[in-house]
Amino acid sequence: DTAVSQTPKYLVTQMGNDKSIKCEQNLGHDTMYWYKQDSKKFLKIMFSYNNKELIINETVPNRFSPKSPDKAHLNLHINSLELGDSAVYFCASSQDTGAQETQYFGPGTRLLVL
Amino acid sequence: AQSVTQLGSHVSVSEGALVLLRCNYSSSVPPYLFWYVQYPNQGLQLLLKYTTGATLVKGINGFEAEFKKSETSFHLTKPSAHMSDAAEYFCAVSPRTTGRRALTFGSGTRLQVQP
Repeated sequence: DTAVSQTPKYLVTQMGNDKSIKCEQNLGHDTMYWYKQDSKKFLKIMFSYNNKELIINETVPNRFSPKSPDKAHLNLHINSLELGDSAVYFCASSQDTGAQETQYFGPGTRLLVL
Repeated sequence: AQSVTQLGSHVSVSEGALVLLRCNYSSSVPPYLFWYVQYPNQGLQLLLKYTTGATLVKGINGFEAEFKKSETSFHLTKPSAHMSDAAEYFCAVSPRTTGRRALTFGSGTRLQVQP
């Protein structure tokens, strides 16, 4: 009965490869997010989608491309992986885009680029 | 632009002692304020939030926080620490005004609870 789930939990890959992380929420929320948490635990928003529409696109290399096939899913595809992409990536969802909304986070995907 | 400062990257308390984690924000208009907790190898979970009304907010697991506009603060407290409180705590803000609506997180405070 996981509310926000991510796959895979761990991802180890070589530089230059392309990889995808999947996220699904079963809360019926309209808005989903991707965050990156670096090795110092600093969390930063990357993208936000509302009903499959991109609403926040932070200064992220265009090697990162989010895709939302429906409002319950938000996937993250990363091309040409670099060492600096190593981090924990969190997916989150909220009822809507309201600034006071609680965000519900997935367990994270730990990406290690060698 | 708004920002969040968490004083103290590490806080260590004894079991049963008071927990105080500090958070200050910088914003021309007081934002919405949140505290999230991250247990090891897990995602973040909301502890509490302040949106409007009473400035003392009670959350889960016995935590509470008080919004003080004059001090631009939203410190998190718990009267008596438990071993299970050991985790990373993040203060976050979101703007009340129009524009980009996304959480801005502080750098986090790791709480250690000593037996």
